[in-house]
Amino acid sequence: DIQMTQSPSSLSASVGDRVTITCRASQSISSYLNWYQQKPGKAPKLLIYAASSLQSGVPSRFSGSGSGTDFTLTISSLQPEDFATYYCQQSYSKGFGGGTKVEIK
Amino acid sequence: EVQLVESGGGLVQPGGSLRLSCAASGFTFSSYWMSWVRQAPGKGLEWVANIKQDGSEKYYVDSVKGRFTISRDNAKNSLYLQMNSLRAEDTAVYYCARESIAAAWAGYYYYMDVWGKGTTVTVSS
Repeated sequence: DIQMTQSPSSLSASVGDRVTITCRASQSISSYLNWYQQKPGKAPKLLIYAASSLQSGVPSRFSGSGSGTDFTLTISSLQPEDFATYYCQQSYSKGFGGGTKVEIK
Repeated sequence: EVQLVESGGGLVQPGGSLRLSCAASGFTFSSYWMSWVRQAPGKGLEWVANIKQDGSEKYYVDSVKGRFTISRDNAKNSLYLQMNSLRAEDTAVYYCARESIAAAWAGYYYYMDVWGKGTTVTVSS
């Protein structure tokens, strides 16, 4: 089974900061990697699919990169509405990473 | 408007059963794989099961195999999750999600682009 490990599990940042979240797969998953954002009490929202493709309607400050086992989600300039929990997901066996909570500094 | 609406959650005793439903609208339901994803209180997301467009293929996370059954009725634009032998650790918000695809060099990229708001299942005596 493919394990997905996200780091850090939480981080504190300020509005305008550049934020990077890492996701590592236990074996190569090529580019079969998605990123989701979830706010408290809400359903997850797709941000990035196929490692680097921006979902329609998602702001361009979000970007994804990586292939194989190592992936990153970058928010170029953190906005107030970006404080949330972020999850990676591999689309082979659908498993999710443990999540990264982005909090206000 | 593309929409998924879950229903059927509630309080059930350990060992009991529950059937969740997900009503789809605003898109051609029969053209998509569909998934159930759950989230235990204060925990992360866990994929539970998915089903092919025509129902001919179904996959489950190991922890629910033999207890949960995913199904669909394309004529009613509905997805279901029959949950039997429920345990306390099945307590969660259950989301249904649409799986869309994008072409890849060899195969397809799958991603969950539409989600319902979720229905809460509590397993407790």
